[in-house]
Amino acid sequence: EADIYQTPRYLVIGTGKKITLECSQTMGHDKMYWYQQDPGMELHLIHYSYGVNSTEKGDLSSESTVSRIRTEHFPLTLESARPSHTSQYLCASSESWTDLYGYTFGSGTRLTVV
Amino acid sequence: AQTVTQSQPEMSVQEAETVTLSCTYDTSENNYYLFWYKQPPSRQMILVIRQEAYKQQNATENRFSVNFQKAAKSFSLKISDSQLGDTAMYFCAFMSALSNFGNEKLTFGTGTRLTIIP
Repeated sequence: EADIYQTPRYLVIGTGKKITLECSQTMGHDKMYWYQQDPGMELHLIHYSYGVNSTEKGDLSSESTVSRIRTEHFPLTLESARPSHTSQYLCASSESWTDLYGYTFGSGTRLTVV
Repeated sequence: AQTVTQSQPEMSVQEAETVTLSCTYDTSENNYYLFWYKQPPSRQMILVIRQEAYKQQNATENRFSVNFQKAAKSFSLKISDSQLGDTAMYFCAFMSALSNFGNEKLTFGTGTRLTIIP
């Protein structure tokens, strides 16, 4: 069983609402990531963090923001949701001392903005 | 920047048969890691197999094996004795082995949707 958790699993929300997608891991990983997965299933990195108080934007521009106040917690926030934000959001984490093992992924949050 | 290409958007194969998924990548680096991830329908993405570029021997994990051709920048996945539970999206991914901030990111291919037919 993976030790990275995302909530909610599914979310339908109206345009203009503020939402926060939660991601927590219990493995003590320093590195965490947010990917956006489009309907064609392609994965795009939108945010990453190498540790507490460290956050960086990814390869795909996103209107979302992230924070990393605690090692285990990496929430993603949309201040004003729009239909274009409809997507699946995947959180992942990895070891800080080696990249050999790749990432551990959460189950994802499927967001629909109506 | 590295790129990863999966040229087969969809594949299907009969149960118990062998199937090979293709992946090519482009990089100027000599040392890196390659991965295959599996994402079953509505389920978590999990690591299937990994390969270190400096190792010539192809990685094997039970029914899953890779054919790593470094010079050709090719990294195909072979699934033997395919099972219904192998039905999933499969993603090939690249990660630089350089330990500089900004390099420890996985670059994914666009995925191959594999269906195992009973």
